[in-house]
Amino acid sequence: ETGVTQSPTHLIKTRGQQVTLRCSSQSGHNTVSWYQQALGQGPQFIFQYYREEENGRGNFPPRFSGLQFPNYSSELNVNALELDDSALYLCASSPPGLVGDTQYFGPGTRLTVL
Amino acid sequence: QKEVEQDPGPLSVPEGAIVSLNCTYSNSAFQYFMWYRQYSRKGPELLMYTYSSGNKEDGRFTAQVDKSSKYISLFIRDSQPSDSATYLCAMRAEFHKGNKLVFGAGTILRVKS
Repeated sequence: ETGVTQSPTHLIKTRGQQVTLRCSSQSGHNTVSWYQQALGQGPQFIFQYYREEENGRGNFPPRFSGLQFPNYSSELNVNALELDDSALYLCASSPPGLVGDTQYFGPGTRLTVL
Repeated sequence: QKEVEQDPGPLSVPEGAIVSLNCTYSNSAFQYFMWYRQYSRKGPELLMYTYSSGNKEDGRFTAQVDKSSKYISLFIRDSQPSDSATYLCAMRAEFHKGNKLVFGAGTILRVKS
């Protein structure tokens, strides 16, 4: 059984650019959640996708957006990058049942904004 | 004040020691509690998932929840150098259509051989 995968592993961008991060859910999982983890901090909830719709969002501005595809994979898009966006971006998938109950994380994408 | 407080450490112990990791929380609506282990530059790995007050044991790991005190703990027996990692506590928070996790900042654990 394949776990949650994310791409790319690392990414370096400059301020003002746009970035797209990708996530493939664990087999059989239908909910995807995205988190931002700054250095030395715990992950912070960005948003969650279920049935290809955003069903919940944390305290992040609209320049953070996402998509979920019919195969349950997902993208996180960030526009107008700021220096503070430098972080580890984590994707977590959840099995069917209570939406977003048990969450299994991927290895993350480390984004550096210069 | 953060919803979940966790001492960042680092906590340094000798191999074979019993380790105690703790979190406190302020939101009494939290009902489900998790512990994740995160190795350097990796994603969090789910270790324990507990509901309500009491103890849950899995091998060398014991999770303890005291809802009256809003306090959760993870105990690691016979600690090994391979246990060296950051340990994150998490609470499941419900919203209208789903659930999110609210994390502590993580405690860095170093087990010395």
